[in-house]
Amino acid sequence: KAGVTQTPRYLIKTRGQQVTLSCSPISGHRSVSWYQQTPGQGLQFLFEYFSETQRNKGNFPGRFSGRQFSNSRSEMNVSTLELGDSALYLCASSLAPEGNYEQYFGPGTRLTVT
Amino acid sequence: SQQGEEDPQALSIQEGENATMNCSYKTSINNLQWYRQNSGRGLVHLILIRSNEREKHSGRLRVTLDTSKKSSSLLITASRAADTASYFCATGTSPGGGADGLTFGKGTHLIIQP
Repeated sequence: KAGVTQTPRYLIKTRGQQVTLSCSPISGHRSVSWYQQTPGQGLQFLFEYFSETQRNKGNFPGRFSGRQFSNSRSEMNVSTLELGDSALYLCASSLAPEGNYEQYFGPGTRLTVT
Repeated sequence: SQQGEEDPQALSIQEGENATMNCSYKTSINNLQWYRQNSGRGLVHLILIRSNEREKHSGRLRVTLDTSKKSSSLLITASRAADTASYFCATGTSPGGGADGLTFGKGTHLIIQP
């Protein structure tokens, strides 16, 4: 099976712009989660989608949003970018939305905001 | 906020030695998972241990879980240079319904000296 893929792998944006990141889960996985990783805060949960519905959201401002399509592919959007949004954004897929299944991570999208 | 806290933050050992990392957490959990991350890439799932399990093995990995002390340990035996990576524990709290996402610790950076 192909693994989780994320596009683009690297991105440089300017403050105030918006960005959309894409994630394709492993075939058959219907749950997709997004995480932000920074040196200071570590790995933090952004949100999780299952069957096109957002099931849970972490403690991030409304500038961070996402969606899931009927084929389970997911996108996350960050509007009005700030310098602090520079991070590695990781997508993970799993069979079920509950936390008691292992998650399979993509390689991440490294976003740099200048 | 971080649920899990790994200890030590960094560990350097000689190839062939065993490496032990510890993780402590604060709230009740349904399962605890260990992940490995190589140099800013995506995370790789290593092992999942459920709250009703005390010990689990996978190849050179041994994980223990003590729910009374809210702690877990990861032992890597006969370490190899390729084991050099950051290791994270992550806790899943949903008992089977409702996803909270995984809560990660800040990780242990393991360096295997050849």
